[in-house]
Amino acid sequence: SSELTQDPAVSVALGQTVRITCQGDSLRSYYASWYQQKPGQAPVLVIYDKDKRPSGIPDRFSGSRSGNTASLTITGAQAEDEADYYCNSRHSSGNSHVIFGGGTRLAVL
Amino acid sequence: QLQLQESGPGLLRPSETLSLTCTVSGGSISSSRYYWAWIRQPPGKGLEWVGTIHYSDTYSNPSLKSRVTISVDTSMNQLSLKLSSVTAADSAVYYCARQFMDYYCYYMDVWGKGTTVIVSS
Repeated sequence: SSELTQDPAVSVALGQTVRITCQGDSLRSYYASWYQQKPGQAPVLVIYDKDKRPSGIPDRFSGSRSGNTASLTITGAQAEDEADYYCNSRHSSGNSHVIFGGGTRLAVL
Repeated sequence: QLQLQESGPGLLRPSETLSLTCTVSGGSISSSRYYWAWIRQPPGKGLEWVGTIHYSDTYSNPSLKSRVTISVDTSMNQLSLKLSSVTAADSAVYYCARQFMDYYCYYMDVWGKGTTVIVSS
């Protein structure tokens, strides 16, 4: 079982705001990063270091953290945002291991 | 622009050893700033970290650790993965990625397109 917990599926109306969450003990100490994966494609980094966006990622994507929960917010969701989203962080033990959340499938209605 | 390309046999028999190569272009695999990782994704499932390497330091998923060998060939600018005694559960798309690691944040910022591995008798 994944040590980062994500809701399996979330939906949002076109143009509305959606928050995708990721819970885990590791997030009390370490920052989450977020990836977008469309069918048949490799994941793409959309948020790192809790709230930083790589070059080329639209500013409608933002990240935050509160306690043991990290959130990815899409403000004004577009049809092209429909995808699977994964969080990851350093393992809570502090060793150099990587953990991923189970993923959230976002539907844009 | 950094690009990563995985390659290797697509079909294996149970108990064989999986060997994959990731060729890095547009940058050096010897960069001290970055680490290099393997991640896999079974059909219809989520991402699973396999392991990471930085120079000669390697880190592996505890669930796979005894079967995983990761190495770097700096002369060829390549990363490799060997996974021994494969079973059907090892069938997945295998990705290589450039990984950034500091105390607070681990992330993969550049990914290869992935290569599909099927284990079947």
